[in-house]
Amino acid sequence: GAVVSQHPSRVICKSGTSVKIECRSLDFQATTMFWYRQFPKKSLMLMATSNEGSKATYEQGVEKDKFLINHASLTLSTLTVTSAHPEDSSFYICSAAQGLAISNQPQHFGDGTRLSIL
Amino acid sequence: LAKTTQPISMDSYEGQEVNITCSHNNIATNDYITWYQQFPSQGPRFIIQGYKTKVTNEVASLFIPADRKSSTLSLPRVSLSDTAVYYCLVGAINQGGKLIFGQGTELSVKP
Repeated sequence: GAVVSQHPSRVICKSGTSVKIECRSLDFQATTMFWYRQFPKKSLMLMATSNEGSKATYEQGVEKDKFLINHASLTLSTLTVTSAHPEDSSFYICSAAQGLAISNQPQHFGDGTRLSIL
Repeated sequence: LAKTTQPISMDSYEGQEVNITCSHNNIATNDYITWYQQFPSQGPRFIIQGYKTKVTNEVASLFIPADRKSSTLSLPRVSLSDTAVYYCLVGAINQGGKLIFGQGTELSVKP
């Protein structure tokens, strides 16, 4: 089945540090990747949609300068949390979809990154 | 975007069949219905997807009535390891859409 690898699984760093999270589709080409954020006991909140070779589309209220997304290839998207502060601490999850297919392709999710800013 | 409504929580016992219903009254013609399972501190895992009628795979069945305004995920003979949050999503990624998560249903399976 389709596998999405997310790395790192956990990050603990000091306030002011920039953190990069990678999301890779291992056995399929992902024309579309999504980034979510999840707080404890809450549902996933969509942050942005990225399409290979184009700028990401951010959801309302998500700062694009704070959360930099790059989707340079069909198998890799990165999310960089710039100058992270304690309020950025959260569980970040990526997903990937083949998309652009006649039949709808389901999203496949990575295992998430637990970000803790001290 | 089609909004989904699910029960917040459900309880069951091992060996029972569990049915979780999701309402999506404003589903669009091109939208598919997809169900995911999520364990704590893990990403959601794909369970099943359908467009209409009934879909069955090795872990679950998905029932979709003709008007497609709701869907029911059926888990046969649940075990303790099925304790998780289950999400119903409606959308069409291949049409340039995006999937928005609702609140999900927290299923608790007891011995």
